[in-house]
Amino acid sequence: DGGITQSPKYLFRKEGQNVTLSCEQNLNHDAMYWYRQDPGQGLRLIYYSQIVNDFQKGDIAEGYSVSREKKESFPLTVTSAQKNPTAFYLCASSGSHGELFFGEGSRLTVL
Amino acid sequence: AQSVTQLDSQVPVFEEAPVELRCNYSSSVSVYLFWYVQYPNQGLQLLLKYLSGSTLVKGINGFEAEFNKSQTSFHLRKPSVHISDTAEYFCAVSSFMFSGGYNKLIFGAGTRLAVHP
Repeated sequence: DGGITQSPKYLFRKEGQNVTLSCEQNLNHDAMYWYRQDPGQGLRLIYYSQIVNDFQKGDIAEGYSVSREKKESFPLTVTSAQKNPTAFYLCASSGSHGELFFGEGSRLTVL
Repeated sequence: AQSVTQLDSQVPVFEEAPVELRCNYSSSVSVYLFWYVQYPNQGLQLLLKYLSGSTLVKGINGFEAEFNKSQTSFHLRKPSVHISDTAEYFCAVSSFMFSGGYNKLIFGAGTRLAVHP
């Protein structure tokens, strides 16, 4: 079935460590996105990519990095510079009519 | 700049009762509007969308929403809710740019719908 796959579902990180969240899509979409979700704050855009080898900062990019070497893949690295990384992270891609398709999310907890 | 306000953070309702989740937006340009549903520890699923045309939009699971340009609102309604409708609901607005298929959605803070037996 077509969709977006995020892994891992749950991830624990020690302070000072970088971690990478995986996002793969088989929907043949050009644009992909990473959002962060915190309780009571809705979703906030971290990074987005419109095409391969190109990506742009969103509203809260500090402490995060991404790459887009393949159309299907858009991994997110949460670096040690991110001061408060504990959150639920959602990857998405956009279809031709503007709607976003989301993965199941990855929950990161800093120990 | 665009913004979205969901007027209720929580909405309790009894099973089989009607429900309305309110959403207002602000934008200086034409917008596209969406409602998403999120069940615990899952991603967001699209309920319905307004791009153009009829202002009454029907979605999945018996939900519908009405676009009101003069009141800048896009309220979500369901005539009879079920226990399984208990979830978080997000309203979102975008100024969809067809070039490159880029769509930056601005989300509201969410409304938690709790359906009680």
